[in-house]
Amino acid sequence: SQQGEEDPQALSIQEGENATMNCSYKTSINNLQWYRQNSGRGLVHLILIRSNEREKHSGRLRVTLDTSKKSSSLLITASRAADTASYFCATALATGFQKLVFGTGTRLLVSP
Amino acid sequence: KAGVTQTPRYLIKTRGQQVTLSCSPISGHRSVSWYQQTPGQGLQFLFEYFSETQRNKGNFPGRFSGRQFSNSRSEMNVSTLELGDSALYLCASSLRDTTYGYTFGSGTRLTVV
Repeated sequence: SQQGEEDPQALSIQEGENATMNCSYKTSINNLQWYRQNSGRGLVHLILIRSNEREKHSGRLRVTLDTSKKSSSLLITASRAADTASYFCATALATGFQKLVFGTGTRLLVSP
Repeated sequence: KAGVTQTPRYLIKTRGQQVTLSCSPISGHRSVSWYQQTPGQGLQFLFEYFSETQRNKGNFPGRFSGRQFSNSRSEMNVSTLELGDSALYLCASSLRDTTYGYTFGSGTRLTVV
């Protein structure tokens, strides 16, 4: 079963707008990671946030983590058509570091 | 540096056959994981190897197996294929474990007919 649930399942915006995706998980984690997947290809690692961090930035990406609520959000600012993809959160559990548990994903469509 | 290489990219097999998929991790990465992705179940963890040892296994039947070689390259094997095994199989490598980000290959698309 999947650890993470993401919402929305799908998101459609215009270029230049911001996109926010949310992820909720169930158990204690060591870190949470976000990945992007284009059209059924491999996943690309975007950012990793550790359980003792609350916010992290990377370029146009901003990730927050609230361990008390077991939730995370990914914000993409000034979206571009090239950002069109599926986005997944993945949790690395606090006990055992050998597997990531993926969420259900958010499909983002950015229209020119 | 070269990324994670998975071969073949596409496979079509018949029910009952077996298949072997290959994965070459990034140089220096010692942890290799395998995931199955389907529209219905999403991304499901299959197993993880580190220094030729399986450290963790997902909830898949014994028909799914894998191994890792001394050069960190990994293979996974599925025997007695079923229609439900049709999926995108993704390999990912990491320096050591999930405290690092993973680098994924482009995947092998397996179709069982």
